[in-house]
Amino acid sequence: DVKVTQSSRYLVKRTGEKVFLECVQDMDHENMFWYRQDPGLGLRLIYFSYDVKMKEKGDIPEGYSVSREKKERFSLILESASTNQTSMYLCASSLGRGAWPPADNYGYTFGSGTRLTVV
Amino acid sequence: SQELEQSPQSLIVQEGKNLTINCTSSKTLYGLYWYKQKYGEGLIFLMMLQKGGEEKSHEKITAKLDEKKQQSSLHITASQPSHAGIYLCGADIESSNTGKLIFGQGTTLQVKP
Repeated sequence: DVKVTQSSRYLVKRTGEKVFLECVQDMDHENMFWYRQDPGLGLRLIYFSYDVKMKEKGDIPEGYSVSREKKERFSLILESASTNQTSMYLCASSLGRGAWPPADNYGYTFGSGTRLTVV
Repeated sequence: SQELEQSPQSLIVQEGKNLTINCTSSKTLYGLYWYKQKYGEGLIFLMMLQKGGEEKSHEKITAKLDEKKQQSSLHITASQPSHAGIYLCGADIESSNTGKLIFGQGTTLQVKP
């Protein structure tokens, strides 16, 4: 019954490494999002995508990039990992924008998260 | 400053007690979503409110959206250890329903047996 799958639950990487976090959804959702979650700061939006090959910056895009070559897959890339990118990363998907009125299934479905530690 | 403010930030209650978590915005909330997160895991959808004055319940959890659609509350009756976790509110604050939610900073709930 898994709907949004993140490739790793735990990841340890070295400073300077290029890191790929993968997210796959099987609900045919148009929207996909990457957040990071830190204590006291809540969820902060990194990047999002409304369609294949489209991407938009969120609130904290610096040091990150994304790729969406297929509708079901949204990848987050840390170009050169740094210790301040140690965090919990959450992927989410939702139905396309513009649907009105909002309903239960217009919210996000989240993956289980990837806890990334950069040493 | 946070566009969605949750209060309190953390809560410790004795099992069996009632509790309330609030989510407040300075803007109109179009679609307010409540999620629960167990430590180290993803977020699980609880319920969604849209209309001013709306109230929904699931088991011992009740969520309300005020008439002005700028504040929502989540009330747990007779809390149990299984209610422990982080509760987050998420909302669309743009009337065009972009499909992009903003989130509060979360409320961490501990329930002591």
